[in-house]
Formats: sequence, C-alpha cells, structure tokens
Amino acid sequence: GENVEQHPSTLSVQEGDSAVIKCTYSDSASNYFPWYKQELGKRPQLIIDIRSNVGEKKDQRIAVTLNKTAKHFSLHITETQPEDSAVYFCAARYTGGGNKLTFGTGTQLKVEL
Amino acid sequence: GAVVSQHPSWVICKSGTSVKIECRSLDFQATTMFWYRQFPKQSLMLMATSNEGSKATYEQGVEKDKFLINHASLTLSTLTVTSAHPEDSSFYICSAVTGAYNSPLHFGNGTRLTVT
Repeated sequence: GENVEQHPSTLSVQEGDSAVIKCTYSDSASNYFPWYKQELGKRPQLIIDIRSNVGEKKDQRIAVTLNKTAKHFSLHITETQPEDSAVYFCAARYTGGGNKLTFGTGTQLKVEL
Repeated sequence: GAVVSQHPSWVICKSGTSVKIECRSLDFQATTMFWYRQFPKQSLMLMATSNEGSKATYEQGVEKDKFLINHASLTLSTLTVTSAHPEDSSFYICSAVTGAYNSPLHFGNGTRLTVT
C-alpha cells in the first residue's frame, strides 16, 4: 500500500507571503497526486493535482511540483490571503490500488493580517 | 458537473441504534465510491471501497459487520453504522469517481454523526 507523510502540521504566514507544504510518498508506482483544501466542517475541495508524467503545474497563485526520484511533491501558494486559511491535505494514488487515495496528515495553514 | 450529494448532513442517535448515510452521484455514474472517516483535527481515513454490484472492500481494522455498505446502483451507495457507540461519533465523507482511470475524486458534503 501507500504511505503519505506531510509537513508541516501547522504553518503560519503573513498575508502576502508564500506558503510551502511538502509531502513524501512511499510507493514508486504512485502516479496521481492531488491537493485538497478543507475548511472547518466542510468537504475537501480539490485545488490542484499533478500526474507522474509532469514535474510542475501552476494555476494562478497555486503551484505543485513533483520529484519522482525523491518521491516527494510540494504545494506552493504565493501572495497568500486570509481566505487561504484552511487545512490542506496532499494525497497519492498508486496504480495497484484502483482509484483510491491515501491522504497525508494535513497542514493547518493560517494567514495572518 | 461531478456533484456528489450526501445525506444527512448531520445526525444524532442514541447508543445501540443504527444510522444510514446515503451518497449519490447526481450527474455522473460512479462505478466506485469510497467511504472515509475523519476525526477532529485528523486526516481522512479510508474505511472501504464500494463497487457497484459487488461486495465492498474494507480497509484493515474496519469492521465490515458494523459498517455495512451497499452500492446497489451506479449513483447510490449507502453506509449503515450498526449498533452505534459514542466512539463512532465522527465525520463520515463519501467520494465517488467515474470509471475513467485516474479520474479525480469528488466528495460529498459529509455527515456529522454524534452518538449519545
């Protein structure tokens, strides 16, 4: 199976600064890596994803990078805003597991004014 | 598109009773649905994988006789928590995928279960 580790567990940044969250995975056969944002009491929402044949993907202020050799991927949020405050989860899907995702432990991001 | 509806959004039940949670894909056919459980300030833990027309596959440590899953159609999966206890109180979230390989997961709104 897959094991996903996520760091840091909490992250506090000033508004306008960048935030970086890192994840590592264990199964080299994993090929899909989504990131979810979850606000308190709500469902996780997909914010960006990357497949193993791509090294980097960007969508406005959000970017994800993937290093297959090192088996880690990172979420980068630039020009952070208070509404970015939430819990962020990385996840990985390995080819032997059908479509199921294994989630990281989550990062509580707080953007301070 | 890709809307997943989950009901109820919250439920309070007495210890020993059973609770059924429904998960529906509204605008697509979900060949596979997943049931997750999330305790406060923790990650989403996969409980089981539900495939239409076949028995669910449970993750290690999840009691299949306690958490009954039925996926009778391509748009509906149900999770029944039987003989609920206070330690079953949690946030239960379903998710669904289409049949396409590596398609994104679409989550329901979740069900907050409180067992008194």
